[in-house]
Amino acid sequence: DAKTTQPPSMDCAEGRAANLPCNHSTISGNEYVYWYRQIHSQGPQYIIHGLKNNETNEMASLIITEDRKSSTLILPHATLRDTAVYYCIARGSSNTGKLIFGQGTTLQVKP
Amino acid sequence: GAVVSQHPSRVICKSGTSVKIECRSLDFQATTMFWYRQFPKQSLMLMATSNEGSKATYEQGVEKDKFLINHASLTLSTLTVTSAHPEDSSFYICSAVSGAKGNEQFFGPGTRLTVL
Repeated sequence: DAKTTQPPSMDCAEGRAANLPCNHSTISGNEYVYWYRQIHSQGPQYIIHGLKNNETNEMASLIITEDRKSSTLILPHATLRDTAVYYCIARGSSNTGKLIFGQGTTLQVKP
Repeated sequence: GAVVSQHPSRVICKSGTSVKIECRSLDFQATTMFWYRQFPKQSLMLMATSNEGSKATYEQGVEKDKFLINHASLTLSTLTVTSAHPEDSSFYICSAVSGAKGNEQFFGPGTRLTVL
């Protein structure tokens, strides 16, 4: 699976949009971009994933560049409960593909 | 969404004893489960892939005789840390793959192991 690179930390004001970038310049054509987050001392929580097109769900939006070498996770209205470590993972399309976690981005949402 | 539970949530044991951690998929069947370990301020590290009815596949550097994995049913995988030592103290997390939900992985809440 392709390596991903994320900034180690980011701050965001409560109520504002949080934009978390991820670089995956070596991603292959069949690899999806997945985002998970981990709130302190809990298991990771699935957020969203995509292949080529932008995706949106009730939690977030995922914007993938046309060349697929980078993506951005957008939390439209960050709350204090969104403070967590966010992981961007490139995962192959095999049915039981394992997830390899990098260091992620620690997002601190501030009042 | 799919729910994965782990038991116990916390365990403290003496050095040299063995500890069993259970991972259950509560509302779906999982032919594949994964076990991760996470040390403080570090990311999750994949330890092994657990397949129902067959032997687990361990990642490089993970001792299969020390971390015994049994996936006896489609809803239960267990991880036994044998002869635990203080350096095995960690946060152990499992995940289960749901075929009914597009093969997505759902994570358990984790088990905090402290070896004295």
